[in-house]
Amino acid sequence: QVQLAQSGSELKKPGASVKVSCKASGYNFTSYAMNWVRQAPGQGLEWMGWINTNTGNPTYAQGFTGRFVFSLDTSVSTAYLEISSLRAEDTAVYFCARGHDYGDFPDYWGQGTQVTVSS
Amino acid sequence: DIVMTQSPLSLPVTPGEPASISCRSSQSLLHSIGYNYLHWYLQKPGQSPQLLIFLGSNRASGVPDRFSGSVSGTDFTLKISRVEAEDAGVYYCMQALQMYTFGQGTKLEIK
Repeated sequence: QVQLAQSGSELKKPGASVKVSCKASGYNFTSYAMNWVRQAPGQGLEWMGWINTNTGNPTYAQGFTGRFVFSLDTSVSTAYLEISSLRAEDTAVYFCARGHDYGDFPDYWGQGTQVTVSS
Repeated sequence: DIVMTQSPLSLPVTPGEPASISCRSSQSLLHSIGYNYLHWYLQKPGQSPQLLIFLGSNRASGVPDRFSGSVSGTDFTLKISRVEAEDAGVYYCMQALQMYTFGQGTKLEIK
């Protein structure tokens, strides 16, 4: 069955970087897009963008350009989200979510990774 | 940018009663291939979101048939025919026509 296993919680200081991983299993990794979604404490869902797992081409939503980088290691069926120059407002749960058979929109979701930025 | 507006933001429902959530988009979500690129998700407390309805009116795999989605122009509706306790959580609509955006979420609570 399709599974997306994300890396564990992270506590970082402002200005540091963090790299969240999302390891896929149960399907052909390069056949579906991978989305990233952020959820700040007590807030709704915010789509960050997606990466074409076949070409490696990323698309970033407005507000997620510059400090946010999507990448892949197809040899281990893993997608990554790296955030640099962390700020307190980056504190959130970050979800990866595989695309659907009928489009690149989120279908299967990872369990989420808590990233906390605090001095 | 396409703006998604949900209502109500809070919805208390008695088990066994119907429930309806509205989502309005700031522009048409009708793709040239004939589908409305609007999807519904449910995030139960402490869990990851799950896909309920895709392309406006199609139930995702494993979703009970008490859930249904409908479309009228730029107005989208998620209906639950008879609410059960396990349906509690926050419901989000999401447009996927241009650079996806979520609605604010509707919190369904069981009375």
